[in-house]
Amino acid sequence: DAKTTQPNSMESNEEEPVHLPCNHSTISGTDYIHWYRQLPSQGPEYVIHGLTSNVNNRMASLAIAEDRKSSTLILHRATLRDAAVYYCILRDPGGSQGNLIFGKGTKLSVKP
Amino acid sequence: ETGVTQSPTHLIKTRGQQVTLRCSSQSGHNTVSWYQQALGQGPQFIFQYYREEENGRGNFPPRFSGLQFPNYSSELNVNALELDDSALYLCASSFGVAGAGYTFGSGTRLTVV
Repeated sequence: DAKTTQPNSMESNEEEPVHLPCNHSTISGTDYIHWYRQLPSQGPEYVIHGLTSNVNNRMASLAIAEDRKSSTLILHRATLRDAAVYYCILRDPGGSQGNLIFGKGTKLSVKP
Repeated sequence: ETGVTQSPTHLIKTRGQQVTLRCSSQSGHNTVSWYQQALGQGPQFIFQYYREEENGRGNFPPRFSGLQFPNYSSELNVNALELDDSALYLCASSFGVAGAGYTFGSGTRLTVV
């Protein structure tokens, strides 16, 4: 199974940009990189996904390395509501297409 | 547009009992996936249902089973409960099986004593 590696935790100050890294050296050519986040006492929430090119949406930006072995989720201005566990996920290449393989994620703390 | 609704929110069962958890998918979604999340861990894939049939299964024993109904809602059944089954059970719906843009419910917290 393709796997991702993320730092256990990160801290940010409110209204500053946050760069959350993810390594996925065994990614296959057809794997999409997905990011979800989980706020306390809630289910995971979709943030963004991409294949090769950088992607932007209203929540965040996703920067994908040219060799696709790493990616970075960018929150342009962190708010206290962005404090959550962020998961970088690859779609399971060998099993069910619906299988999102979650790791432990990065716990982001945002200081006022 | 309603999101994913799970019931009940909390449940306490005794070891050896059986439990049924329910999930109503988001309007317009036809695929439901179930995940188990132990404390401090990321969610683990249990199985997915598409067009009322199982469309893939994670590393869970057969005592974990499910159903999907014509209105795309779903049930997760667990027989012969064990203490290690205590976890947050999450349901996610999507349109199609591709795995992008899942909408998760807030989960059912199951405690087995």
